[in-house]
Amino acid sequence: NAGVTQTPKFQVLKTGQSMTLQCAQDMNHNSMYWYRQDPGMGLRLIYYSASEGTTDKGEVPNGYNVSRLNKREFSLRLESAAPSQTSVYFCASSELGGGLNYEQYFGPGTRLTVT
Amino acid sequence: GDSVTQMEGPVTLSEEAFLTINCTYTATGYPSLFWYVQYPGEGLQLLLKATKADDKGSNKGFEATYRKETTSFHLEKGSVQVSDSAVYFCALPLRGSNYQLIWGAGTKLIIKP
Repeated sequence: NAGVTQTPKFQVLKTGQSMTLQCAQDMNHNSMYWYRQDPGMGLRLIYYSASEGTTDKGEVPNGYNVSRLNKREFSLRLESAAPSQTSVYFCASSELGGGLNYEQYFGPGTRLTVT
Repeated sequence: GDSVTQMEGPVTLSEEAFLTINCTYTATGYPSLFWYVQYPGEGLQLLLKATKADDKGSNKGFEATYRKETTSFHLEKGSVQVSDSAVYFCALPLRGSNYQLIWGAGTKLIIKP
């Protein structure tokens, strides 16, 4: 049982390049999330998927797109990377249902640097 | 709007010292409250929670009591270990959302042997 896995662990991009961050969970969770973590700012939600087939914007969606490929996988795409997107990105998942959605399980993160 | 405020870090303690990390919140009603922990190089994990006022959450020797009078949810541990070195986040649900959390900025804890 791997939990939540993310690839890659590290990535360096040049401004304007694109890339997709991959996330998968094996806990049969319905909801999945993408966060970014910046120093001194806690976590900020980029997008979330309440269930397979749905996605919704979070606090900071600009510059990102997501795809809920199936129940297990939720990808985050940067179409044209900018230095402001340098951050650590975390994927998380949770069961569907009331307070259980707040008990989120996180992946190990992807450290992205945009030069 | 609703918010969470944590004490700034880093907090540096010696092994076996008593720990308090402060968390205060602003919210309408009495939402559930959470502490998450992030160990070096890892993602966050839920440490403990309290679902109603006056509840005490506990796990791994850590405790936090939901105090509505002071709108606080301070994290405490009686005797810290080097392995407790991590970043601790306080959080509460975003009002009107079944999925989103409001996160504190995190408090880094460093335990020296």
